[in-house]
Amino acid sequence: QVQLQESGPGLVKPSETLSLTCTVSGGSISGYSWNWIRQPPGKGLEWIGYIYYSGSTNYNPSLKSRVTISVDTSKNQFSLKLSSVTAADTAVYYCARQSLILYYMDVWGKGTTVTVSS
Amino acid sequence: EIVLTQSPGTLSLSPGERATLSCRASQRSSSSYLAWYQQKPGQAPSLLIYGASSRATGIPDRFSGSGSVTDFTLTITRLEPEDFAVYYCQQYGTSPTFGQGTKVEIK
Repeated sequence: QVQLQESGPGLVKPSETLSLTCTVSGGSISGYSWNWIRQPPGKGLEWIGYIYYSGSTNYNPSLKSRVTISVDTSKNQFSLKLSSVTAADTAVYYCARQSLILYYMDVWGKGTTVTVSS
Repeated sequence: EIVLTQSPGTLSLSPGERATLSCRASQRSSSSYLAWYQQKPGQAPSLLIYGASSRATGIPDRFSGSGSVTDFTLTITRLEPEDFAVYYCQQYGTSPTFGQGTKVEIK
């Protein structure tokens, strides 16, 4: 059974770079795309971007200038970097696996809370 | 970018009642790429329906999805206590987008 686990700092200072990693266990990173989604407190879900196992990426246009997603197939991990963060980037960040055929997200991590504050 | 609008924002119902949730797309959306998720407080979303009408593994048959083109519906035929949650639709056009969610609360 595939499981995803987010990890990274829970507190980031304004203007700095948020860095998170998602570790995939119980299965291979190959054959899927791997997504980052966030949820500000009390609000809905916002898709951040995804990376194919091959390395190609697609980002939310509203965040594209600040987002980098990378993959390390040797470690079965993929990572998110979000630069120049502000308080508006405070959210629960989820990683999720996406089917390459019908594009649904069938496996999610539990989420990690990131607070942007000095 | 396809914008998804969910209605109503909140649905107040009693256990045993029927829930009908709507998801409308701003432009034509392939039903193959329409999914529904359930999110309970403090938990990650979980997949309910994919391809507009196919139930994910382990999802009880009181959950059903329907619709096409721009109008999609999630129906819960008889609400169980564990069904009170927030529900999101999601589509994939050139990239994924989510609706803003519908909260199903106990009346």
